[in-house]
Amino acid sequence: DTAVSQTPKYLVTQMGNDKSIKCEQNLGHDTMYWYKQDSKKFLKIMFSYNNKELIINETVPNRFSPKSPDKAHLNLHINSLELGDSAVYFCASSHLGTAANVLTFGAGSRLTVL
Amino acid sequence: QKEVEQNSGPLSVPEGAIASLNCTYSDRGSQSFFWYRQYSGKSPELIMFIYSNGDKEDGRFTAQLNKASQYVSLLIRDSQPSDSATYLCAVNMLNQGGKLIFGQGTELSVKP
Repeated sequence: DTAVSQTPKYLVTQMGNDKSIKCEQNLGHDTMYWYKQDSKKFLKIMFSYNNKELIINETVPNRFSPKSPDKAHLNLHINSLELGDSAVYFCASSHLGTAANVLTFGAGSRLTVL
Repeated sequence: QKEVEQNSGPLSVPEGAIASLNCTYSDRGSQSFFWYRQYSGKSPELIMFIYSNGDKEDGRFTAQLNKASQYVSLLIRDSQPSDSATYLCAVNMLNQGGKLIFGQGTELSVKP
């Protein structure tokens, strides 16, 4: 029933570990995004995929690797986690090419690196 | 200069008053403009979007866009305590793959 679903909702891990976050949307959208929201609530785009093709790749450390197996799924893998990676990661989807390109967000995955 | 700027607040208004939230943007090629509301610990949810100059009304909310001055605003009439949240302005850049650039958000507090 949920439009954009992310798992897990919470991750607590040690520095140096690797973790993944998964996202799925059932809205029939063709574009999916990863945004990072830091402790100051600033929401910043990281990546975007349109029909499995990477179209936005912001200046993000290469420890972050997105993967889109199909247009309904977008995963984010993070290697060698650092303290500064602690944030809430939001997945979003939209139908690119519409006049408004409205993004629908998932509930977020709160990552805490100790 | 930040691409999208908002006053961080907090903006405090009494219940029943009009809350006015402002946003400026730097890229004249920006196409569409969005207001999202985010409650603490929740995800952003769309309030409304606008892409033509002028006003757009939806219930108690009115978005105003002035492309010449590069600002967009959101008015909330008859503010309710349930409107207390962070309001995020976002701008869709031309030919940038649907990238939405967000402002830092304005925290609104509506006092009963």
